Amino acid sequence: DVKVTQSSRYLVKRTGEKVFLECVQDMDHENMFWYRQDPGLGLRLIYFSYDVKMKEKGDIPEGYSVSREKKERFSLILESASTNQTSMYLCASSSIGTLSYNEQFFGPGTRLTVL
Amino acid sequence: DQQVKQNSPSLSVQEGRISILNCDYTNSMFDYFLWYKKYPAEGPTFLISISSIKDKNEDGRFTVFLNKSAKHLSLHIVPSQPGDSAVYFCAAARTGTASKLTFGTGTRLQVTL
Repeated sequence: DVKVTQSSRYLVKRTGEKVFLECVQDMDHENMFWYRQDPGLGLRLIYFSYDVKMKEKGDIPEGYSVSREKKERFSLILESASTNQTSMYLCASSSIGTLSYNEQFFGPGTRLTVL
Repeated sequence: DQQVKQNSPSLSVQEGRISILNCDYTNSMFDYFLWYKKYPAEGPTFLISISSIKDKNEDGRFTVFLNKSAKHLSLHIVPSQPGDSAVYFCAAARTGTASKLTFGTGTRLQVTL
């Protein structure tokens, strides 16, 4: 079974703090993704990576950066957290060329609150 | 610009009846569609998918229908069960875009006894 784990289930930070959200997958997947989920807005893609040290902006990259130094690990960084970044953050991974084309496997999510 | 839309934020259905969840998209380049199910405090899990070369795909109680001319897909759950109560997201993809998915806003399904 594919397993995607996220470092924290709940996180509370103060405005201006630097925040790191970590994601690890154990299935040797090439692609990794960071989304945020907000009521009425669904899942919106922040950044994704299709290889180590490669990254591409998603639909809402402003205020975020990412790091992928190892294939299994994808980090989301909030350089200076703001209250409008309070959200549920979801990490996902997928393989290229699987039978279930484009199927992404998600972690349990991190509920981040910025005060 | 919301390229994938789920216009019903919520739906309530009695146990044993059919649940129909709808999804519309605007980008004609999308050629693969997926449905995900999400319980509270969990990540979404893949449910069923359909390629644009088909108009129907069935998996047990779940069937997805695709109408390309209308840019519309729907998920049918028959019969609905209380454990189906969750938020359902449709998602769309284009071939050759590194498996990038565009998600809809979600529909919360409540199956009542």
